[in-house]
Amino acid sequence: QKEVEQNSGPLSVPEGAIASLNCTYSDRGSQSFFWYRQYSGKSPELIMFIYSNGDKEDGRFTAQLNKASQYVSLLIRDSQPSDSATYLCAVNSNSGYALNFGKGTSLLVTP
Amino acid sequence: DAGVIQSPRHEVTEMGQEVTLRCKPISGHDYLFWYRQTMMRGLELLIYFNNNVPIDDSGMPEDRFSAKMPNASFSTLKIQPSEPRDSAVYFCASKKLGRGTLSGNTIYFGEGSWLTVV
Repeated sequence: QKEVEQNSGPLSVPEGAIASLNCTYSDRGSQSFFWYRQYSGKSPELIMFIYSNGDKEDGRFTAQLNKASQYVSLLIRDSQPSDSATYLCAVNSNSGYALNFGKGTSLLVTP
Repeated sequence: DAGVIQSPRHEVTEMGQEVTLRCKPISGHDYLFWYRQTMMRGLELLIYFNNNVPIDDSGMPEDRFSAKMPNASFSTLKIQPSEPRDSAVYFCASKKLGRGTLSGNTIYFGEGSWLTVV
């Protein structure tokens, strides 16, 4: 049973628009939530993490967490073609030290 | 600083052959993870080590897979015998524990070893 669920996409948005990526998780005990970006043929790289309910902003990126609904989202404002990638949602595992990843959502930003 | 270093980057091998993937974590990191990524299953945790000791190997698919970490700067993932369904990208990653900090919660990935078993 997969613990972290994401829509595989592809999600297509025009350049300059807001891209909204969503993720749900099954373990209510999860404490830490991460968004990684993975370009085709490359390794995942961390772009944001969030612990507390609410919003966390970093530049064009905003992570949103709702623990009651077991829901995490990532908003990308002013989307650029260079944002086209797969976005992986990750949640800390039971041990707290490893991460469980969703399968990722493919984002395509069209010029 | 050098990142996580993996070798080989690409390997094509025949079914039944032994495959050994190698990883050098970031210096000073005390956790090392082996993940496998396929289109079907996404990124799966295979095993992780803390201070060279295996902590959780529940993700290792079967006895054909084994992993070792003889010292803080080196780990191997071995598949013997290999099968076509083992074809995937194998990522090694490392982390330094530091609760509440960005660096303490970031898992840094190597560039991956692309394995094809024919």
